[in-house]
Amino acid sequence: SQELEQSPQSLIVQEGKNLTINCTSSKTLYGLYWYKQKYGEGLIFLMMLQKGGEEKSHEKITAKLDEKKQQSSLHITASQPSHAGIYLCGADRALSSGGSNYKLTFGKGTLLTVNP
Amino acid sequence: DTEVTQTPKHLVMGMTNKKSLKCEQHMGHRAMYWYKQKAKKPPELMFVYSYEKLSINESVPSRFSPECPNSSLLNLHLHALQPEDSALYLCASSQVGRRQGFSEAFFGQGTRLTVV
Repeated sequence: SQELEQSPQSLIVQEGKNLTINCTSSKTLYGLYWYKQKYGEGLIFLMMLQKGGEEKSHEKITAKLDEKKQQSSLHITASQPSHAGIYLCGADRALSSGGSNYKLTFGKGTLLTVNP
Repeated sequence: DTEVTQTPKHLVMGMTNKKSLKCEQHMGHRAMYWYKQKAKKPPELMFVYSYEKLSINESVPSRFSPECPNSSLLNLHLHALQPEDSALYLCASSQVGRRQGFSEAFFGQGTRLTVV
């Protein structure tokens, strides 16, 4: 099965510092998604990556997908308390070999704390 | 409008009760999902509806009964639940492309369910 490994599991940074969260798959990723979740709330879509080498940015958050499409990173520049939360990477996983049905599965998440 | 609305936000029910969770979106998405999330765990897929038809059931117990009455609404009917069913239930929607995946999913805020 295609499992997503996220690292680190948790991260505490001082406001203003940069940070990176990684998401690794043992198999090629066909669609890689980054979401943010506040505890007990819904998931907020951040970015979707599909092509090897793709990079997208939104405000101070940049996500990259490596050329082999097996690893993605999420980088936050000059972190703020508003960045705190749980970051989840998700990937489309085929339900059967050669099938056309996919489902979105998630890594275990990275808990980010930003201290003022 | 990228909003998925879930009601109620909180629900406490006894093991003999019957209740329903509701989800609504007006983005024209024809794929809708139910996820279950336990504390400190990633969301886990329960059901997928594609064009108002159930396309994926992840071996969910029959005490959970999904329903998609039209392209904007998704319900989850609950009956004879167990305390271990207490969790955050998330609804999501996405476009249906060439394949089920490869389209970002938008999530609602969830219903916090407690079974007593």
